[in-house]
Amino acid sequence: DAGITQSPRHKVTETGTPVTLRCHQTENHRYMYWYRQDPGHGLRLIHYSYGVKDTDKGEVSDGYSVSRSKTEDFLLTLESATSSQTSVYFCAIRGRDNEKLFFGSGTQLSVL
Amino acid sequence: QQQVKQSPQSLIVQKGGISIINCAYENTAFDYFPWYQQFPGKGPALLIAIRPDVSEKKEGRFTISFNKSAKQFSLHIMDSQPGDSATYFCAASITSGTYKYIFGTGTRLKVLA
Repeated sequence: DAGITQSPRHKVTETGTPVTLRCHQTENHRYMYWYRQDPGHGLRLIHYSYGVKDTDKGEVSDGYSVSRSKTEDFLLTLESATSSQTSVYFCAIRGRDNEKLFFGSGTQLSVL
Repeated sequence: QQQVKQSPQSLIVQKGGISIINCAYENTAFDYFPWYQQFPGKGPALLIAIRPDVSEKKEGRFTISFNKSAKQFSLHIMDSQPGDSATYFCAASITSGTYKYIFGTGTRLKVLA
């Protein structure tokens, strides 16, 4: 698992509430990514980071923000959760060979 | 130009048979084409990958065939086993700069015992 921990593993929340998902890595990788996985859509990039305080948007970034104040932590925040954000969220890191992505175990988020 | 189209959406194969999953891409700047395998409740894990300078790569029962001119690549699973039942994603990426990965929509494979 390349030292990736996602928390929480499961979360149920209500529409309109803020939610923060955490990705923690132990191997000092520079590049980190947040994806969401939905049936029929595969894995879609939300945001990514290429260093501390350096982040950029992916293809489905609306309604999400991220922060990376330390190399090891990449946070994904839903400022005001909506039902369309019910999904499985995966954090990933880029391997040192600059080719492979290594994924965490995911967070199942349900917005009711 | 950023899309990767994957087919079929689902596949059922008898044990011992060959499973074939296809992907097509548009952006000729892609230079790395991996396949990921995902079991229920787990994150995707890299299965096999290929660069466009070769037409085929084989690792055990898994083979990637790559057709650069057609902008297509496929995963072949020989002697498919029930333990291969999983969701498979193809992807394409550019291994420089910010290095975004583009994933296909996934194929759910079921291998019948």
